[in-house]
Amino acid sequence: EAGVAQSPRYKIIEKRQSVAFWCNPISGHATLYWYQQILGQGPKLLIQFQNNGVVDDSQLPKDRFSAERLKGVDSTLKIQPAKLEDSAVYLCASVSRWRGEQYFGPGTRLTVT
Amino acid sequence: SQQGEEDPQALSIQEGENATMNCSYKTSINNLQWYRQNSGRGLVHLILIRSNEREKHSGRLRVTLDTSKKSSSLLITASRAADTASYFCATDVDSNYQLIWGAGTKLIIKP
Repeated sequence: EAGVAQSPRYKIIEKRQSVAFWCNPISGHATLYWYQQILGQGPKLLIQFQNNGVVDDSQLPKDRFSAERLKGVDSTLKIQPAKLEDSAVYLCASVSRWRGEQYFGPGTRLTVT
Repeated sequence: SQQGEEDPQALSIQEGENATMNCSYKTSINNLQWYRQNSGRGLVHLILIRSNEREKHSGRLRVTLDTSKKSSSLLITASRAADTASYFCATDVDSNYQLIWGAGTKLIIKP
């Protein structure tokens, strides 16, 4: 089966600009996650979707970050405006079964200058 | 919040040796999972061990879980250069099935 797709793979922007990331999970996976991973750290959950509904967005900085999963398939994560501390890898993951392993996309490496 | 803490932070061994890394966590869990991350293949699931299990094997990997000590270990036997990566433990602790991740152990296999 095809894996989790993410684009772009790399993005360089200046602070205060906006950026959007796209994720297409594995077909049939109802649960989708967005993580932020700063260099040298483990992934930090930003938002969790179940189909097209938000399960948890408590760690999403809502003043600048937004995410949606229209039609319960692919998802976008947006940052507006970006700050220097947003430089990180943004990972998308999906699961096929509850409490099962998570499948990750290749990530988007964001550099904010 | 960081639940799992891996130990050591970094480990360098010769090819062919065994590598052991540990994970400690703070609250009761549904399961504990180990993942590997390298630049070539991104973050990949290795093994899942449920709270009622004590040991699991997968190829050259052996995971143990001690819920009384809130700790787990990952053993990689007969290491290879391709095992060079960062290894993360992640714990499933709540009803929403969210994983909480440690900071990882960076493993380097020297030829």
